[in-house]
Amino acid sequence: DIQMTQSPSSLSASVGDRVTITCRAGQSISSYLSWYQQKPGKAPKLLIYAASSLKGGVPSRFSGSGSGTDFTLTISSLQPEDFATYHCQQTYTTPWTFGQGTKVEIK
Amino acid sequence: EVQLVESGGGLVQPGGSLRLSCAASEFTFGSHWMDWVRQAPGKGLEWVANIKQDGSDKYYVDSVKGRFTISRDNAKNSLYLQMNSLRAEDTAVYYCARRRGTYSDAFDFWGQGTMVTVSS
Repeated sequence: DIQMTQSPSSLSASVGDRVTITCRAGQSISSYLSWYQQKPGKAPKLLIYAASSLKGGVPSRFSGSGSGTDFTLTISSLQPEDFATYHCQQTYTTPWTFGQGTKVEIK
Repeated sequence: EVQLVESGGGLVQPGGSLRLSCAASEFTFGSHWMDWVRQAPGKGLEWVANIKQDGSDKYYVDSVKGRFTISRDNAKNSLYLQMNSLRAEDTAVYYCARRRGTYSDAFDFWGQGTMVTVSS
């Protein structure tokens, strides 16, 4: 199974801050990497697919980059509604695996 | 907008069975791979199983192989997960999710989830 490791596990930031979350795959996964946002008690929502493609309707302050084993999710200017947990996921080979999540909290 | 609505969760004793359903609407259900993903309380996401558009291919995470069966009825726009021999470690919120496009694509829509609790 491909292990996905996110860092940090949690972070505190202020509204307006630039936030970067990293995700490392245990082997190359090309660009088969997605990012999801999850708020407490709610289902995950897709933000980024194919490492860097923004899902329609997702604010442009979210961006993704990377390929191979190292990926990043960047929020250019953190907004109040962005406080949530973010998950990366590989769909290169089954079993699809997720990172452990990164909780973004208010500073 | 795309809707996925899960049902069938509940409290079940270890060794028992449950059948989860996911009702899909506002898209061509038979054109998409579909998946089940679960999340144990306070834990991360774990992919469980998926099924091809016509039901001909199915894949499972090792921990549920031989106990869970994924199926679909395209005429009813419905996805199912038959769960047998349930264990305490199967306790989780179970989400159905739509695959965006190809086999290796992201999950672009998720249901609200249904809670499964395995306990005596």
